[in-house]
Amino acid sequence: DAMVIQNPRYQVTQFGKPVTLSCSQTLNHNVMYWYQQKSSQAPKLLFHYYDKDFNNEADTPDNFQSRRPNTSFCFLDIRSPGLGDAAMYLCATSRDTETQYFGPGTRLLVL
Amino acid sequence: AQSVTQPDIHITVSEGASLELRCNYSYGATPYLFWYVQSPGQGLQLLLKYFSGDTLVQGIKGFEAEFKRSQSSFNLRKPSVHWSDAAEYFCAVGGKEYGNKLVFGAGTILRVKS
Repeated sequence: DAMVIQNPRYQVTQFGKPVTLSCSQTLNHNVMYWYQQKSSQAPKLLFHYYDKDFNNEADTPDNFQSRRPNTSFCFLDIRSPGLGDAAMYLCATSRDTETQYFGPGTRLLVL
Repeated sequence: AQSVTQPDIHITVSEGASLELRCNYSYGATPYLFWYVQSPGQGLQLLLKYFSGDTLVQGIKGFEAEFKRSQSSFNLRKPSVHWSDAAEYFCAVGGKEYGNKLVFGAGTILRVKS
């Protein structure tokens, strides 16, 4: 089945230690998104790639970066995680700007 | 500013009872409308979507939603709730008027009592 895969499902990191979250997709969608979701809140868009074009949201901290080496993969890098970055991170994909399909998420814990 | 309102933060219904979750949006002549469901610790699963055409749309798991342009609403319904429907439900709006991004409501947590 075509799907969006996120690894790992759970990630524990130390305060200030860089961490990378991974997303891959078999849907062959050209747009990939990263969202941050904190407890009891709606997902918040961090940035997205439209093909190779990177689009950062205005309020996304510089601490968050992303890479998309090819159509199938997208990475979220958190350069110096703080306690406030503990959250669920969701990857989504879409064909152009139509329906977004979400992965299962990565739960990040910062110690 | 564009916004999506889900006025009910929590809803509790008895198993077998009918369900309606409300969603209103503030902007856009021809929005794309979505309902997603999220179980604890999981990603968002698409229940249904509306782009155009018939204003009553059917989704997965027995859910349906009706688009009412005059009320700027897209309420989600299910005639008989099952215990496995307990989850959080998000209404979202997209389309050109929303910068081709999704704008989410705050979510409604559904509890099902037996």
